[in-house]
Amino acid sequence: EADIYQTPRYLVIGTGKKITLECSQTMGHDKMYWYQQDPGMELHLIHYSYGVNSTEKGDLSSESTVSRIRTEHFPLTLESARPSHTSQYLCASRPGPEGSYEQYFGPGTRLTVT
Amino acid sequence: GQNIDQPTEMTATEGAIVQINCTYQTSGFNGLFWYQQHAGEAPTFLSYNVLDGLEEKGRFSSFLSRSKGYSYLLLKELQMKDSASYLCAVILRRSQGNLIFGKGTKLSVKP
Repeated sequence: EADIYQTPRYLVIGTGKKITLECSQTMGHDKMYWYQQDPGMELHLIHYSYGVNSTEKGDLSSESTVSRIRTEHFPLTLESARPSHTSQYLCASRPGPEGSYEQYFGPGTRLTVT
Repeated sequence: GQNIDQPTEMTATEGAIVQINCTYQTSGFNGLFWYQQHAGEAPTFLSYNVLDGLEEKGRFSSFLSRSKGYSYLLLKELQMKDSASYLCAVILRRSQGNLIFGKGTKLSVKP
């Protein structure tokens, strides 16, 4: 059973606020990912990390930033939230470097910016 | 660009069999995943195909043809709890392992 956690699960916040979405996994996985998913649309990769101090931007341009100071923790930050950031954010992880390609997903954070 | 196509919606009857197709045109290919996603929840892993052929796992089977850029997910003995979105995803490069997702197929199972 995969153990990957995201907090908060739901967040409603006003425009201009700084927010951090938390993601933690207890499986010791090297690789972690952030996806953005709008209703009825595909998951888009916005950030990924191959290990501590490694972060890369994904296929979808995002104004968010990420950090990977510890293996188990991969937070995503929006410095100034806007209504266009309203979406579901999903965190995932998988073992590396040549382990299973299956990604384990957290429950997601549904963000609404008013 | 990368292109992964799935039907948007499908409807089937409880107890029946349904096949969800996925076609892909991508710059690389190192395997194809199927995930199940219930509304408002995280995707959960169903299957992974990297070689041509059929992989069977209980009520679910997945097929891959690399030469045709085609996969399908077969669900047998449908249950109401199978109502969900089914996501097709491709790994482009082994070294990265990043997934490219299709938009998903929303399956509704009716009594």
